[in-house]
Amino acid sequence: GESVGLHLPTLSVQEGDNSIINCAYSNSASDYFIWYKQESGKGPQFIIDIRSNMDKRQGQRVTVLLNKTVKHLSLQIAATQPGDSAVYFCAEKIGGGNTPLVFGKGTRLSVIA
Amino acid sequence: EPEVTQTPSHQVTQMGQEVILRCVPISNHLYFYWYRQILGQKVEFLVSFYNNEISEKSEIFDDQFSVERPDGSNFTLKIRSTKLEDSAMYFCASRQARLGYTFGSGTRLTVV
Repeated sequence: GESVGLHLPTLSVQEGDNSIINCAYSNSASDYFIWYKQESGKGPQFIIDIRSNMDKRQGQRVTVLLNKTVKHLSLQIAATQPGDSAVYFCAEKIGGGNTPLVFGKGTRLSVIA
Repeated sequence: EPEVTQTPSHQVTQMGQEVILRCVPISNHLYFYWYRQILGQKVEFLVSFYNNEISEKSEIFDDQFSVERPDGSNFTLKIRSTKLEDSAMYFCASRQARLGYTFGSGTRLTVV
C-alpha cells in the first residue's frame, strides 16, 4: 500500500479565503516532510518543509502542521489567491542520507475569483 | 535563483528506440534524482545518485534504465528500448546535504 496519501483529491475555495490541504502518512519512521506545488506543465515547486521534531512551521502565507500521533500533515494557505491554483503534493522522507522522497497523490486546489 | 535545467522539454520517440533525457543539476548540489509522473498520477521515484554511483532505485528502474554523470555538470537518464508505458513526465531533482530538493521543469516523453 501507499505510504503517503491525501484525503481530498480536489478543493475549491473562494479568493481571499483560507485553504487547508490534508495528507495522511502511514510510516511512523518518516522524519521529514515537504509540501510541493505543481502548476500545469511544470515541475514540483518547494513550498515548505517540516521535520518530525516540530509540529508547526510557518512561511509566507503558508503554515504546515504535523500531528505525529495520528500521522497527519496539513498545509494551510492564508488569503488564497488565484495564483495558488495548482496541484499540491505532500512528500515524506525516512532518515538521512539519500533515501528518496515518497510523494502522495496530490490535491488540486482551484481558487474561485 | 539557481535552477535545475532539463532538456528537451518534449521528446517524441518510437517504441523500441533509445532516448536520453538530460539534466543540469544546481552546481554545488551533491545528490541527484530522477522521478517520473504519468499523466494525472503522483510523482514516482526512479533512482537516486550520489558520489558517482546509484544510491537507491525503485522497481520501476529496471535494466532498460540507466543513469550517468558523464562530466561535472550533466546528469542523464537513458531508456534503452522505450515502451508505450514509458510515456510520462520525467523530472530531475538535486539537493545539497541538508537542504530541500529542487526539481527541474521536466521532460515530457511520448512513446508512439
